[in-house]
Amino acid sequence: GAGVSQSPRYKVAKRGQDVALRCDPISGHVSLFWYQQALGQGPEFLTYFQNEAQLDKSGLPSDRFFAERPEGSVSTLKIQRTQQEDSAVYLCASSFGGGGETQYFGPGTRLLVL
Amino acid sequence: KQEVTQIPAALSVPEGENLVLNCSFTDSAIYNLQWFRQDPGKGLTSLLLIQSSQREQTSGRLNASLDKSSGRSTLYIAASQPGDSATYLCAALEGNQNFVFGPGTRLSVLP
Repeated sequence: GAGVSQSPRYKVAKRGQDVALRCDPISGHVSLFWYQQALGQGPEFLTYFQNEAQLDKSGLPSDRFFAERPEGSVSTLKIQRTQQEDSAVYLCASSFGGGGETQYFGPGTRLLVL
Repeated sequence: KQEVTQIPAALSVPEGENLVLNCSFTDSAIYNLQWFRQDPGKGLTSLLLIQSSQREQTSGRLNASLDKSSGRSTLYIAASQPGDSATYLCAALEGNQNFVFGPGTRLSVLP
């Protein structure tokens, strides 16, 4: 595709539900990043993949958060037993290589946990 | 731990003015610094990327500078237009591929 796409764009979940957020990076991009953006704040790093390898997951806030990229393209961020503090916009970005190349962001998934 | 701050938090200017947005970071050992634009309800659009060995980058009416020794970057917007209204974010890239973002500056350019 022409850019990074994310689905769903909006998700409302009841506290305790599991959710799965999908990211389709730009075709051929090796690196994929997930960020969490709370209202009025800048994005915060969650995790980073190079192809299918998850090289850094230091930003995941708890063991309820899990990300995968099994075939080195599409990625899924899963949040188990959602809590109200998980409400945020989840942004996905991809880059052609690594090493600090420009990251291209998707539109984000806005998650609201009630 | 790297911390990135931006001032001002919000800025409102009349159309046609030149303006400067400021970004500061605490750890000068950065790989590069990138400026992004975010429109409401949308993702981030990369504006300018400055490698750690560079001093500035220019694209159209935008100019970004980087001074690693002082931990500062500025984004200069010339002849501002209403279409420039957005939130501007700076992000410092650390060696481990993590971007550390500032909180952003909300810019309103009034017609």
